[in-house]
Amino acid sequence: DVKVTQSSRYLVKRTGEKVFLECVQDMDHENMFWYRQDPGLGLRLIYFSYDVKMKEKGDIPEGYSVSREKKERFSLILESASTNQTSMYLCASSLMGNNYGYTFGSGTRLTVV
Amino acid sequence: DQQVKQNSPSLSVQEGRISILNCDYTNSMFDYFLWYKKYPAEGPTFLISISSIKDKNEDGRFTVFLNKSAKHLSLHIVPSQPGDSAVYFCAASARGNQGGKLIFGQGTELSVKP
Repeated sequence: DVKVTQSSRYLVKRTGEKVFLECVQDMDHENMFWYRQDPGLGLRLIYFSYDVKMKEKGDIPEGYSVSREKKERFSLILESASTNQTSMYLCASSLMGNNYGYTFGSGTRLTVV
Repeated sequence: DQQVKQNSPSLSVQEGRISILNCDYTNSMFDYFLWYKKYPAEGPTFLISISSIKDKNEDGRFTVFLNKSAKHLSLHIVPSQPGDSAVYFCAASARGNQGGKLIFGQGTELSVKP
């Protein structure tokens, strides 16, 4: 069974901390994505990557960075966490091309206090 | 600017009746559309999709209709079951879009009452 695994289900961090959210997929997918889900706003794309060491900004990249050193792993980094980054973070992967849906991880609920 | 819109945040339906979830889009370059279902504390799961060359796609109790002239799609669930209670996201992708990037709507929370 194909899987996207996010390392933490729940995280609580302090304002100003550097936060790492990890995502690993076992499907040899080229594309990986980070979204955040907020009530009334749906899923908003933060960053995506279509190859190792490649990254592209999504719609809301401010305050975030990403790393993709290996094909199976895509990390989201909050350089200095703020309370407005409290959210559900969802990682997804897909095959190259626009006719393939995503496989999502279970999500990480991040609370910044 | 919201390119994919789900204007109904919530919908309540009686078990056994039809659920109709709606989605509008603004970008005429979108050529592939998907519906995802999300339970609390889980990631979204793929439900059904449709290419812009079709106007209907059916999979069991789920049917998606696409009206390109109106830039509108809808998901029909017949008959609705309590297990269908979840948040449903509409998503769209544009031809040539690098990496098949999906644009999601805001989601509609469906509640199916026994």
